[in-house]
Amino acid sequence: EDKVVQSPLSLVVHEGDTVTLNCSYEVTNFRSLLWYKQEKKAPTFLFMLTSSGIEKKSGRLSSILDKKELSSILNITATQTGDSAIYLCAVGASGTYKYIFGTGTRLKVLA
Amino acid sequence: GAGVSQSPSNKVTEKGKDVELRCDPISGHTALYWYRQSLGQGLEFLIYFQGNSAPDKSGLPSDRFSAERTGGSVSTLTIQRTQQEDSAVYLCASSPDPPSGHLTDTQYFGPGTRLTVL
Repeated sequence: EDKVVQSPLSLVVHEGDTVTLNCSYEVTNFRSLLWYKQEKKAPTFLFMLTSSGIEKKSGRLSSILDKKELSSILNITATQTGDSAIYLCAVGASGTYKYIFGTGTRLKVLA
Repeated sequence: GAGVSQSPSNKVTEKGKDVELRCDPISGHTALYWYRQSLGQGLEFLIYFQGNSAPDKSGLPSDRFSAERTGGSVSTLTIQRTQQEDSAVYLCASSPDPPSGHLTDTQYFGPGTRLTVL
């Protein structure tokens, strides 16, 4: 059965810290891995990683896909209180339009 | 431009009643998804619509759940004879075209409807 596992489940840090969030997956015919930030209700898109794009960066956020290890990490440097949110990882498989989501990592950044 | 909108934002109902949740996708998006997110859980896929193709209903948890998409645009998720375990946030997302591994392979989410069944 396809599954996506995220760790840690929750994390509390102080402003300025660097955090690394993990996402591992077991999905047949991997197509893409997506990271979302969910602050209240609607998840907002952060990155998409595929076999042809295994590393993405935007400001203080960056993400790497390790296809050998079937995992991805999301790094946030110099964290700010506005980074507090649930970070969701989702994986899609070729030949299907379904996405399998992990349960998310709840990040809290203290001032 | 306008994003995905959902209504109502909150719905409180009594056990056994029927509810309808509405989703207005981004104009021109051909793909539409419904997800359910229970407290502390990830997103659970419910149903997928793509253009005029038959929807994928494989994620619907029981026959009390159904969904329609009229004219390839607005979608309604209906839950009949609601149960307390149906309480969750129901999220709708739209996507410009079928997943392809390209940049458009992402979903734009609406703000969700929080359903509480008493």
